[in-house]
Amino acid sequence: DAGVIQSPRHEVTEMGQEVTLRCKPISGHDYLFWYRQTMMRGLELLIYFNNNVPIDDSGMPEDRFSAKMPNASFSTLKIQPSEPRDSAVYFCASGPGQGFDTQYFGPGTRLTVL
Amino acid sequence: AQTVTQSQPEMSVQEAETVTLSCTYDTSENNYYLFWYKQPPSRQMILVIRQEAYKQQNATENRFSVNFQKAAKSFSLKISDSQLGDTAMYFCAFMNEDYGQNFVFGPGTRLSVLP
Repeated sequence: DAGVIQSPRHEVTEMGQEVTLRCKPISGHDYLFWYRQTMMRGLELLIYFNNNVPIDDSGMPEDRFSAKMPNASFSTLKIQPSEPRDSAVYFCASGPGQGFDTQYFGPGTRLTVL
Repeated sequence: AQTVTQSQPEMSVQEAETVTLSCTYDTSENNYYLFWYKQPPSRQMILVIRQEAYKQQNATENRFSVNFQKAAKSFSLKISDSQLGDTAMYFCAFMNEDYGQNFVFGPGTRLSVLP
């Protein structure tokens, strides 16, 4: 398997624009996680899905953030409208089961909002 | 490409005892950072300890310490006087010097502290 795939790897946008980050989990994994990494706050869990269903989105910072998982092989994290403080590295991870068990992280998307 | 390996999927330790979690990595870079993150059942990731590769002295944070062996590319985490609250998933992570350019996580080790 190719591992968790994220796209784009880098995104530069202007404040107010919509940003969509994409993730393809490892085939067969039931859990998918979205994280945000910043120097100030470290690694934060934003939301996670089990069998395509959002289980806990309490980490989503604001209503500007939304995540979907329309099928087992694809998830998106959308920010609308984007703000400079959203600049961070966003990671997607997938896991085979048991919730917070082994997770395989994607390479991350580095988002810069100007 | 950098890789991070955690060879112990699960470990357990008795309360008050000491446990060591293993982490090895592969990189051709000389300057980088290594991290241990904890993910308890409450789910948020907690930074446990961080080590800069250019520092020879092993990082310590209260009951947590690391054994950083740069030549061997090894970065183990030692937890002393284990507490029930240490029960969690532990992820080892590597980051190159250019922050965020390349951040790689291991698959995690599930640690259970037994009463």
